[in-house]
Amino acid sequence: DAKTTQPNSMESNEEEPVHLPCNHSTISGTDYIHWYRQLPSQGPEYVIHGLTSNVNNRMASLAIAEDRKSSTLILHRATLRDAAVYYCILRSTNFGNEKLTFGTGTRLTIIP
Amino acid sequence: DTGVSQNPRHKITKRGQNVTFRCDPISEHNRLYWYRQTLGQGPEFLTYFQNEAQLEKSRLLSDRFSAERPKGSFSTLEIQRTEQGDSAMYLCASSLAGLNYGYTFGSGTRLTVV
Repeated sequence: DAKTTQPNSMESNEEEPVHLPCNHSTISGTDYIHWYRQLPSQGPEYVIHGLTSNVNNRMASLAIAEDRKSSTLILHRATLRDAAVYYCILRSTNFGNEKLTFGTGTRLTIIP
Repeated sequence: DTGVSQNPRHKITKRGQNVTFRCDPISEHNRLYWYRQTLGQGPEFLTYFQNEAQLEKSRLLSDRFSAERPKGSFSTLEIQRTEQGDSAMYLCASSLAGLNYGYTFGSGTRLTVV
């Protein structure tokens, strides 16, 4: 499985934008980039995914580098509820390798 | 729809006992996944079903573990002869088949083996 590299932890002030980086230098042309987050004592929650183009939804934006070797999850205005572990995952299109494989993620702390 | 439901939320068992967990997925989702998560780690894949067919099992899933999804609806995960190393959060997720669909996870069952 292609791997991702994320910082272990990040801090951000409440009501400010947050940029969570992810490196995936061995990404293949058919791998989708998925982001999930896990709040304390809950299961992971889908955030966003993309292939080549930048993506926006109500939760966040995903900026994908032109060479696709890195991506950034952007939370436009962090709230205390955004404190969670954020996972960047590559999801293969190859049959049999489609499952999500989680790393250890980035623990995001929001400072009031 | 109330999302993915897992029962029980917590289970404490003595070493050597058998335990069974249940997962009720979102009704229209044809895929169902089981993961295990220990403290400080990301979830680890165990197995998944498409409808009633079990399509993949992780090497983590020893012979003491078995999962079923009769009729392609709810699923059960059974652990026989539990060991202390089985203590973890067991997470279930469901999705539609296809890469454009995300997973919806349940809140998990926390197993403690004493």
